[in-house]
Amino acid sequence: EVQLVESGGGLVQPGRSMKLSCAASGFTFSNYGMAWVRQAPKKGLEWVAYISYDGGSTYYRDPVKGRFTISRDNAKSTLYLQMDSLRSEDTATYYCTTERHGVMDAWGQGASVTVSS
Amino acid sequence: DIQMTQSPPSLSASLGDKVTITCQASQNISKYIAWYQQKPGKAPRLLIRYTSTLESGTPSRFSGSGSGRDYSFSISNVESEDIASYYCLQYVNLPWTFGGGTKLELK
Repeated sequence: EVQLVESGGGLVQPGRSMKLSCAASGFTFSNYGMAWVRQAPKKGLEWVAYISYDGGSTYYRDPVKGRFTISRDNAKSTLYLQMDSLRSEDTATYYCTTERHGVMDAWGQGASVTVSS
Repeated sequence: DIQMTQSPPSLSASLGDKVTITCQASQNISKYIAWYQQKPGKAPRLLIRYTSTLESGTPSRFSGSGSGRDYSFSISNVESEDIASYYCLQYVNLPWTFGGGTKLELK
């Protein structure tokens, strides 16, 4: 069974950094692209970043380019999202997802990030 | 970026009804649309990919159709467990973009 477990969320001040992790199990992590999707409180879903199966390609939505970095450690079956220069508009639940055949299919339970002073 | 216009934003239905949600893309997305269900406090769940392909475990009362820019998602015989929000997603091009969501409620 595919399992994705996010960790590392919490309360952070504007301008500071936070790193999310997503531990994967139940599938061959190194074979699949991975992504982060976020959802602001009572709002819709928003794709944030994608990384290819080998980490060789990464993509970001424009508002987070230059501030967020997606990475992975295939030996540890773990996905990361380093978030720098955080803003109040980054407040959201962050989900890690698998990408298989182009679509985001399995999702973690989410990690809550609140950016506030 | 491809914009996905999803309607209606909310929907009220009785048990056993058929409901339909539509998504219109700002350009041709060549059937690369997926549909997700999200219950309160839970992660989204993929129901349908590539317009009409049901994921394993998706009940047959769910269906999808469409082409070009216009797509629809239907639930026939709404059950109480279907009360949730639903989102479309285009995945033909990055950035992947979601529709605004439809909240399905019981009448």
